[in-house]
Amino acid sequence: GEDVEQSLFLSVREGDSSVINCTYTDSSSTYLYWYKQEPGAGLQLLTYIFSNMDMKQDQRLTVLLNKKDKHLSLRIADTQTGDSAIYFCAETTGRRALTFGSGTRLQVQP
Amino acid sequence: GAVVSQHPSRVICKSGTSVKIECRSLDFQATTMFWYRQFPKQSLMLMATSNEGSKATYEQGVEKDKFLINHASLTLSTLTVTSAHPEDSSFYICSAPANTEAFFGQGTRLTVV
Repeated sequence: GEDVEQSLFLSVREGDSSVINCTYTDSSSTYLYWYKQEPGAGLQLLTYIFSNMDMKQDQRLTVLLNKKDKHLSLRIADTQTGDSAIYFCAETTGRRALTFGSGTRLQVQP
Repeated sequence: GAVVSQHPSRVICKSGTSVKIECRSLDFQATTMFWYRQFPKQSLMLMATSNEGSKATYEQGVEKDKFLINHASLTLSTLTVTSAHPEDSSFYICSAPANTEAFFGQGTRLTVV
């Protein structure tokens, strides 16, 4: 079945860039997403990328996709304390539910 | 973007009782909705796919008689946790696809005491 993996924890200083990495196994994945989850809250869609793209930028967020290596990354520029949360990558072919990674806990130190 | 409303956001119930969670797509129609469960400090795991007008499809290991799903209309799916036990305490979240995106409800934190 589909599998999505992420590192569990990342700590950065305020103002630095954060890079959260994700790998997936399903070569037919069409849509890849990044979600943010704050403590006790639901999921907030941050951004998504189609599999025929290799980069997408949205303000402080940059998503890079290496389809050959099935590697997805999320870069947060000028990381702020408000960015502290758990970040999930997820993938789907569009016709089925999302498969989520385990989540990466981002800790931003002042 | 599209809005998915989930209710209630928090519920505490006694063991043995049933709890119903509603998931509504407010500004679009959803023939399919997905129900996920998230245990503390874990990822979201798909429980079942809710299909309007037909039976839900359950993932392996999810008891269909315990987690009753009804997709009564194109904008409403309900998940009923029957005869709840403390081990059912979890965060339940629904999702509805719209175009290329998946929109999530706010989630329901269920605590069974």
